[in-house]
Amino acid sequence: QQPVQSPQAVILREGEDAVINCSSSKALYSVHWYRQKHGEAPVFLMILLKGGEQKGHEKISASFNEKKQQSSLYLTASQLSYSGTYFCGTEGAQKLVFGQGTRLTINP
Amino acid sequence: EAQVTQNPRYLITVTGKKLTVTCSQNMNHEYMSWYRQDPGLGLRQIYYSMNVEVTDKGDVPEGYKVSRKEKRNFPLILESPSPNQTSLYFCASSQSGRGADGQYFGPGTRLTVL
Repeated sequence: QQPVQSPQAVILREGEDAVINCSSSKALYSVHWYRQKHGEAPVFLMILLKGGEQKGHEKISASFNEKKQQSSLYLTASQLSYSGTYFCGTEGAQKLVFGQGTRLTINP
Repeated sequence: EAQVTQNPRYLITVTGKKLTVTCSQNMNHEYMSWYRQDPGLGLRQIYYSMNVEVTDKGDVPEGYKVSRKEKRNFPLILESPSPNQTSLYFCASSQSGRGADGQYFGPGTRLTVL
């Protein structure tokens, strides 16, 4: 039931791009993306609803392929502040189920 | 300021000693939820509430109780804590529970059960 995220970890240099994937074995109503910095609470980034809508937040955008039950988070021209662990959350019957997280490290 | 508050932030207790972690939100949100976070396992939902007096089990409800007597409060109760409940706990709230809104998380409560 838990969505699967890939990769589990990625290390970038500032300015590089990254893609984080999230896939589910169940039909989805929506996909959430959150970022959690070390020692802090998760912070909501964006939500994607059925229909393949793509949304953006700063230089972070995401897509949702309803048929494939997959979502991808795109980080372009990464900044040091983007470091943290990214979680996708997939929504079914009023429950939000989170993936195991992808740890993103941005080096200068 | 819109926020979700939790108390206490840190707690060390012993096996079997009942405890309550409080959660309160000031955004008039309908939906509230409790999660536990363990290394390598991500966030797992314990219980959620769609509104006052309406609660339901999440994925890992064993050993926990909740109540929702007021819209703003959603306490988590551990009647007889055990060491496997040592974890980082987050309370969260959102306007609705149908997945159309993002969730606001509290600062977390780090619980250690000896």
